[in-house]
Amino acid sequence: EIVLTQSPGTLSLSPGERATLSCRASQSVSSSYLAWYQQKPGQAPRLLIYGASSRATGIPDRFSGSGSGTDFTLTISRLEPEDFAVYYCQQYGSSAYTFGQGTKLEIK
Amino acid sequence: EVQLVESGGGLVKPGGSLRLSCAASGFTFSNAWMSWVRQAPGKGLEWVGRIKSKTDGGTTDYAAPVKGRFTISRDDSKNTLYLQMNSLKTEDTAVYYCTTEGWFSAFDIWGQGTMVTVSS
Repeated sequence: EIVLTQSPGTLSLSPGERATLSCRASQSVSSSYLAWYQQKPGQAPRLLIYGASSRATGIPDRFSGSGSGTDFTLTISRLEPEDFAVYYCQQYGSSAYTFGQGTKLEIK
Repeated sequence: EVQLVESGGGLVKPGGSLRLSCAASGFTFSNAWMSWVRQAPGKGLEWVGRIKSKTDGGTTDYAAPVKGRFTISRDDSKNTLYLQMNSLKTEDTAVYYCTTEGWFSAFDIWGQGTMVTVSS
């Protein structure tokens, strides 16, 4: 099973700043089967990025994904108040899916 | 409108059983690969299992913690996904979400979730 490790656990930033979230895999993730989700309290997760770098429908272009192999990054170029939430990465491989433990993005 | 609506959650004793349902609308359910994902209180997301479309074989895969206890099935005539949970343990306590699998095996549509509490 591929283990995903996200860092940092908590990120404290101010609106307007740039956020960089990391997701590292214990083995190479095949064909960029790497996605990112945003979850706010009491809500279901929302897909932000699929295929490591493609934005899902309706996702603002301040969200971008990059990376390959074992190292992936979610970047939020200029934080808006509604972006403060928990973010998860997720991968698919060998008929199984795993999620990272999450990064909490909080207002500084 | 594309929608997934889960139901069937509740309180059950350890060792008991529960069946969750997920009603789909607004898309061609029979073509969709469907998964269940759960989230224990205050914890992260955990994939539970997946069922492929019948066109792609209709086969299932499960995460290790639930294999042999949980069964996923689908009724394409009713646009409904099921999760039969047997031999429930306290650690199965979570919100259970159903979700569709889209491009590059990302989960693109999510239901609102249903809470399952396993406690004596």
